[in-house]
Amino acid sequence: DAGVIQSPRHEVTEMGQEVTLRCKPISGHNSLFWYRQTMMRGLELLIYFNNNVPIDDSGMPEDRFSAKMPNASFSTLKIQPSEPRDSAVYFCASSTAIDTQYFGPGTRLTVL
Amino acid sequence: GQQVMQIPQYQHVQEGEDFTTYCNSSTTLSNIQWYKQRPGGHPVFLIQLVKSGEVKKQKRLTFQFGEAKKNSSLHITATQTTDVGTYFCAGNDYKLSFGAGTTVTVRA
Repeated sequence: DAGVIQSPRHEVTEMGQEVTLRCKPISGHNSLFWYRQTMMRGLELLIYFNNNVPIDDSGMPEDRFSAKMPNASFSTLKIQPSEPRDSAVYFCASSTAIDTQYFGPGTRLTVL
Repeated sequence: GQQVMQIPQYQHVQEGEDFTTYCNSSTTLSNIQWYKQRPGGHPVFLIQLVKSGEVKKQKRLTFQFGEAKKNSSLHITATQTTDVGTYFCAGNDYKLSFGAGTTVTVRA
């Protein structure tokens, strides 16, 4: 199994720029989760999808963040415009239900 | 909403010693999961507990789910350097909520 695939693995950008993070879940998994991890706030659930439909986006910090899942094999998390406080590791995870989650390797985002 | 508290936040252990990390939920859980994240890595699923009072073992790791299904513990015996990392519990109510994690360092 390829596991959950995330790209890019590292992203350095300047404040104000648009950032797009990508995720390919494990084939056959119908739930997808986006998390943000920082030293200060730990692991935070941003949004999760079930069968490509956003179910709970209460963790999305503000309107600058948006997530889409156009099909079962692809999701994006977009930040526009980015700010230094968005610097974090962003994880995507997938599962067959609200069950065991398989995490991707993460994208380390640095906003200067 | 559901909150999952985990203590201690940090655990410094002498190699060979035992330690326990605890997880408490504000609500009754349908199940609880434990994950381990190595430094620089991503969370990896360890185990899921479903039944009240359930106890499961993985080699030197013992996981327990409380009778009221609101708390859980992870006990590691004879700690090794390979146990270094952050251990998260995740309580499953209507969605999975992660605790803040216990970061474990080991003194050789």
